[in-house]
This record gives sequence, structure tokens and C-alpha cells, in this order.
Amino acid sequence: GAVVSQHPSWVICKSGTSVKIECRSLDFQATTMFWYRQFPKQSLMLMATSNEGSKATYEQGVEKDKFLINHASLTLSTLTVTSAHPEDSSFYICSASTGSSAYGYTFGSGTRLTVV
Amino acid sequence: AQTVTQSQPEMSVQEAETVTLSCTYDTSENNYYLFWYKQPPSRQMILVIRQEAYKQQNATENRFSVNFQKAAKSFSLKISDSQLGDTAMYFCAFVPNFGNEKLTFGTGTRLTIIP
Repeated sequence: GAVVSQHPSWVICKSGTSVKIECRSLDFQATTMFWYRQFPKQSLMLMATSNEGSKATYEQGVEKDKFLINHASLTLSTLTVTSAHPEDSSFYICSASTGSSAYGYTFGSGTRLTVV
Repeated sequence: AQTVTQSQPEMSVQEAETVTLSCTYDTSENNYYLFWYKQPPSRQMILVIRQEAYKQQNATENRFSVNFQKAAKSFSLKISDSQLGDTAMYFCAFVPNFGNEKLTFGTGTRLTIIP
């Protein structure tokens, strides 16, 4: 079945530094990638939607200059948290769509970010 | 805008029993898809079952089945012969026109299977 590989699975960084999270679709072409943030014991909150080769569409309240999303190819999308602060600590998950019902929506395994 | 409501924040059931998780949604769309996702302690989102709105027949996947009531905009998940591995957060989700549309998630139900 369809697999989305997300790395790193966890990362600790110092306040003020930037962190990049990668999501790769291993056996299909991801036309659209969704990036979510999840707080403990809460549902997934959509941050942005990206289509290959286009600028990402951010949800209301999400700072696009802080959460940089790049979807340069049909198999790779990245989320960069710039100038990270402790309040950015969270669980980040990507989800890929092919635009076809054959694969549905496939989720990465998530990245736990801790900013100290 | 679509909304998805899960009114049961937590549930628990004895192993081998049957449990039903509730989900209601609101939409003006006529053609859409509904999903149940499972998120175990590993936090990997796993698709449990999918229902296409234009199909009247309820979807089933082994021990998992749904009761889809389109007119009532209800989409409940029934887990039969529950197992310890079913312990997880369960999210109901909605998407119109499938493909590149974003999923709308409910708030989730934390299900605990008691040995």
C-alpha cells in the first residue's frame, strides 16, 4: 500500500533555530500534501495545504513566514519551522493525497518537536 | 463549511465486547466521503474504514462496520469482538469530492479496551 515516510520522528532544538521536517511518498506521486499540528489529546489541526510546484495555502491564524512549506516534487514536501520557540513544541503530521480514490489519504508517522 | 461532531470524548469496554462510536456531520454537499481513522499510542494515523456517500450499503472491514444514515448525517463505527489492540483515539473525518480536498476531523473519541 501507499507509504509516506516522515523524518525525523522526533527532534529537540534550541530556541531561535530552524527545524526542517520531510515527508516523502515512497510508492506514489503525492499531488497534494497536508500539514497538521496536533496538541496532546486533541484532534489534528490543519496548518496548510500544498500542491506540487505551487505556493502553499495556509489556514487562518497560521504564520506562513514561520512555517515554511515547500512541495518541489511529487514525492517530497518539507515543513520548516523557522526561529522556533517553546510554544512551537508540538506533534506535526503530514498527509498525502494522489487525487485518486485508489490510495486515499496516507499519513506520515509524525514528528515530535521539542524546543528548549 | 463542514463540521464533524464526536460527542463521546472517552469510552471503555471489556475485551471481546462490542462498542459503537458516534459521529455526526453537517454539510450541504451531496457527494462526499466519510472516514474513521485510528490513532494508537504510536500516534500513527491508520485508516479503519471508508464510506462513499452515494453508496447506500454500509461499509465493513472485518470486525469494523459503519452505520451510515445519510439523511440524518450520522456515521457511527461499530467494533465487534473488541481486542486490546483496538485501544486508541478514533477520529471521524469528512471530505467533499475526494482527492485534493482537505479532511475535516472530529474531536476524537478515546477508546480503552479493558482486559
